[in-house]
Amino acid sequence: GDSVTQMEGPVTLSEEAFLTINCTYTATGYPSLFWYVQYPGEGLQLLLKATKADDKGSNKGFEATYRKETTSFHLEKGSVQVSDSAVYFCALSDGATNKLIFGTGTLLAVQP
Amino acid sequence: EPEVTQTPSHQVTQMGQEVILRCVPISNHLYFYWYRQILGQKVEFLVSFYNNEISEKSEIFDDQFSVERPDGSNFTLKIRSTKLEDSAMYFCASSRSLNIEAFFGQGTRLTVV
Repeated sequence: GDSVTQMEGPVTLSEEAFLTINCTYTATGYPSLFWYVQYPGEGLQLLLKATKADDKGSNKGFEATYRKETTSFHLEKGSVQVSDSAVYFCALSDGATNKLIFGTGTLLAVQP
Repeated sequence: EPEVTQTPSHQVTQMGQEVILRCVPISNHLYFYWYRQILGQKVEFLVSFYNNEISEKSEIFDDQFSVERPDGSNFTLKIRSTKLEDSAMYFCASSRSLNIEAFFGQGTRLTVV
């Protein structure tokens, strides 16, 4: 079945460092891809999305590009802030049911 | 900005008891979902609901679980005869249509003791 694999955490960075969180997927169709963020004590918030190959999703300085050839959707940010500390989830939706399949989540800790 | 609201934020229940988790989806949304996240694990799909019926459910969603939209605004998850392993954060989500992102509530932390 469909699945999402993302890099293990925690990822610890200093403020203003470059961030990459890897995400790859397995899907039989043409899924939409998402990054959700969970700040401490809060629910899941959509960070960005891409619905077809070569689409780039972006929001709050974060970017991810839907790469069909490598089945990847890596999350990047050029300069992280302490306020970016959270758990980041990569997810896919098959479009037929809107069911989301999540990766295990990556904890990001940004130190001042 | 419209949001999905869940109540209660935290529920403690004794093993074997029934619990009802409540959600108010965004008002013009048509698709509703429940997910759960056991502490330290990934977010798992439980069930999706559309047009007053279940459209898909996972293996986790067995006879112990049921969902209902009793009054056109609330969307509830009932867990009968709770077990220790039902302890988790339960998230409700809604979306306006297919292929549109789902919006999540803040979650209900269920603790079974």
